[in-house]
Amino acid sequence: EDKVVQSPLSLVVHEGDTVTLNCSYEVTNFRSLLWYKQEKKAPTFLFMLTSSGIEKKSGRLSSILDKKELFSILNITATQTGDSAIYLCAGARVGGSEKLVFGKGTKLTVNP
Amino acid sequence: NAGVMQNPRHLVRRRGQEARLRCSPMKGHSHVYWYRQLPEEGLKFMVYLQKENIIDESGMPKERFSAEFPKEGPSILRIQQVVRGDSAAYFCASSPPSGRAFFGQGTRLTVV
Repeated sequence: EDKVVQSPLSLVVHEGDTVTLNCSYEVTNFRSLLWYKQEKKAPTFLFMLTSSGIEKKSGRLSSILDKKELFSILNITATQTGDSAIYLCAGARVGGSEKLVFGKGTKLTVNP
Repeated sequence: NAGVMQNPRHLVRRRGQEARLRCSPMKGHSHVYWYRQLPEEGLKFMVYLQKENIIDESGMPKERFSAEFPKEGPSILRIQQVVRGDSAAYFCASSPPSGRAFFGQGTRLTVV
């Protein structure tokens, strides 16, 4: 059965800290790994990673995929209180479907 | 281009009643996915539909749950004879035939 495991499940930091969120996956016919941010509403898309070793960046957020170790990390530097959210990792399979296998998420709390 | 529209945003039902959740995909999107999120859990895939066809319902409970995506109108997730355990956030996502899925704001179902 496909599985996505995220760690830690929750994390509390102070503004300005750097955090690393982890995601390991076992997905049959793996195509890509996606990161979402969820704040009491719709998950909003952050990154989609398909190739190993290529870092994707968006402002203070960055992510990288290791297809050999079946692992991805999401880094957030200089955290702000607005980064407080649940960060979800999901695996997608090869094929025409966007059926995703989600992890339980990491709840990040950034205190002032 | 409006995003994925779900309604209602909040739905309260008594045990034994029926719940109908609606999802209007983004314009140009012909694929719809339904996910359920229980408290403290990640999103769990329920069903994947294209117009007038159920493509993958491997995540749907065998009883009381059904989904449709008619030629005209929104996709409907229907839960008959709701029980307390059905209380959750139900998210719909839509995608074009090949492309990333976008999520709606979700419907929070509470069964009392």
